[in-house]
Amino acid sequence: NAGVTQTPKFRILKIGQSMTLQCAQDMNHNYMYWYRQDPGMGLKLIYYSVGAGITDKGEVPNGYNVSRSTTEDFPLRLELAAPSQTSVYFCASKIGTGAYEQYFGPGTRLTVT
Amino acid sequence: GQQVMQIPQYQHVQEGEDFTTYCNSSTTLSNIQWYKQRPGGHPVFLIQLVKSGEVKKQKRLTFQFGEAKKNSSLHITATQTTDVGTYFCAGHSGNTPLVFGKGTRLSVIA
Repeated sequence: NAGVTQTPKFRILKIGQSMTLQCAQDMNHNYMYWYRQDPGMGLKLIYYSVGAGITDKGEVPNGYNVSRSTTEDFPLRLELAAPSQTSVYFCASKIGTGAYEQYFGPGTRLTVT
Repeated sequence: GQQVMQIPQYQHVQEGEDFTTYCNSSTTLSNIQWYKQRPGGHPVFLIQLVKSGEVKKQKRLTFQFGEAKKNSSLHITATQTTDVGTYFCAGHSGNTPLVFGKGTRLSVIA
């Protein structure tokens, strides 16, 4: 199993550009999450999904969109990138409802200038 | 909403010294999880505590869950350079998504 994979690893965007951060997992997990991590600020939840076709907002959803058309994939879309979106983005998954561990991908480091 | 606070934010220790990080929640938790993130890496699950007053050990690491299920601690005995990283607690309250603390960054001086 590859676990949770994320692409790209690094990206530099200009203000106003758009991009999609890709996330995929091969563990047949129902739950998937997107977090952003700013220096010294821990992990903040952007969006999450409890299964294909179902998504919900987290703590900091503004400026982002997600879709979940398959169990495996959970892309994060940034429209009109702003400097405040400079961060490290982590995708995570867990098997199902209840208190299970989350498995994290390696992260995407995004800089908006 | 639910808040999870962690102290200290940073801790520098000499190799061989002990280390403790504390986690406090604004609400009663269903369970608490601990993760470790090495510099430049991603969070990796360490352990989960569910029961009031629970204590679990992993080699030199001891995890505790408070009696009121609102606080937790991670204690590392005789730190090693391999313990370097940021330790996060994260709590569930009811059916809400996991809420992470800001983490404690541990530096170990050899």
